Amino acid sequence: QKEVEQNSGPLSVPEGAIASLNCTYSDRGSQSFFWYRQYSGKSPELIMSIYSNGDKEDGRFTAQLNKASQYVSLLIRDSQPSDSATYLCAGKPQGGSEKLVFGKGTKLTVNP
Amino acid sequence: DADVTQTPRNRITKTGKRIMLECSQTKGHDRMYWYRQDPGLGLRLIYYSFDVKDINKGEISDGYSVSRQAQAKFSLSLESAIPNQTALYFCATSPRKFSLSTDTQYFGPGTRLTVL
Repeated sequence: QKEVEQNSGPLSVPEGAIASLNCTYSDRGSQSFFWYRQYSGKSPELIMSIYSNGDKEDGRFTAQLNKASQYVSLLIRDSQPSDSATYLCAGKPQGGSEKLVFGKGTKLTVNP
Repeated sequence: DADVTQTPRNRITKTGKRIMLECSQTKGHDRMYWYRQDPGLGLRLIYYSFDVKDINKGEISDGYSVSRQAQAKFSLSLESAIPNQTALYFCATSPRKFSLSTDTQYFGPGTRLTVL
């Protein structure tokens, strides 16, 4: 069964620190990965996508993909209280599947 | 205006009642999905549809049915609601055009359903 695993947290960091969120996946053929941010009671919002090995930066966010280790991460630099949310990692399996496999999410709290 | 809308946003109903949740989108996407989210269980796929004539069961379809009335509309029905169907329900859409970076899902605002 294709799975995406995340540490449920909660992860707590002080304001201004780097928050590091991690995700592993079981399907070696997965092609692309997505990070969603979900505020409590709200819908998931896409914040990053990555499909090549290495780093991809967008503002304060950096996504990292290591296909050999089947590992995806999201770094948030200069964390702000407004970054406090649950972060969902999702993978797109190989084989033309149109479904995403979601992790259960990591709850991040940024303390002022 | 929001690209993906869901109605109602909140609903309280009683056990045994039939209820319909509606999803509409203006994104022009062919694919639509229904998920439920429960604390600690993450997002679970109920049904998905690749076009009006193509509807598929997800991992937890028992007790649910769907209707794809048009490309832009996808409804979820609970034929006889039960308390363990109390959850947050999300509709999502994705484009047909293949792109590694954008071929993902975009979510509606959700419907909070309580079954008493």
